Amino acid sequence: SQTIHQWPATLVQPVGSPLSLECTVEGTSNPNLYWYRQAAGRGLQLLFYSVGIGQISSEVPQNLSASRPQDRQFILSSKKLLLSDSGFYLCAWSVTRPPNTEAFFGQGTRLTVV
Amino acid sequence: QQPVQSPQAVILREGEDAVINCSSSKALYSVHWYRQKHGEAPVFLMILLKGGEQKGHEKISASFNEKKQQSSLYLTASQLSYSGTYFCGTEGTGRRALTFGSGTRLQVQP
Repeated sequence: SQTIHQWPATLVQPVGSPLSLECTVEGTSNPNLYWYRQAAGRGLQLLFYSVGIGQISSEVPQNLSASRPQDRQFILSSKKLLLSDSGFYLCAWSVTRPPNTEAFFGQGTRLTVV
Repeated sequence: QQPVQSPQAVILREGEDAVINCSSSKALYSVHWYRQKHGEAPVFLMILLKGGEQKGHEKISASFNEKKQQSSLYLTASQLSYSGTYFCGTEGTGRRALTFGSGTRLQVQP
């Protein structure tokens, strides 16, 4: 069966510090991968998605970046965090062939920038 | 573009019914529904593809009107376990990643 791992679960970082969140998927190959952010009490904002190694699409301009160095690994990074980067970050995956393209989410990383 | 969900919040007594609506301004290929408990990751409920199909999951069902680009989630005889925030996610005909609405917070009381 497929599983998705995301870490760390919680993170407190000072403003201006770098960020690296990692997500890996097991039990499937060539998945679509996604990073979403959820501000407190708000909806899910799509940040990045990837359909293959090295292929990253950015949905919003910001100081975050994403990379996919391996088929089942997705990394979210920042060189300098802002207070507004605080939130609940969720990695997700889906199969690439329709129609069953439901997204499966990791348990999330709660990031607090102080 | 983000789909619009309504209502933003609803409070029910156990056994009551609720309807959550989701509408989009763009042509849709599919609509997904997810439920998120506080502090947890969203969990997939169901997917509806264009063609106006209706799906069900226990006492939760949904419909998709592709002409109106709308979907509705129906919760019947609600249970305490139904509490949470419900999100619709839409997939455009260009088939990019899911775009989620702002969510509907549902609270079921005894």
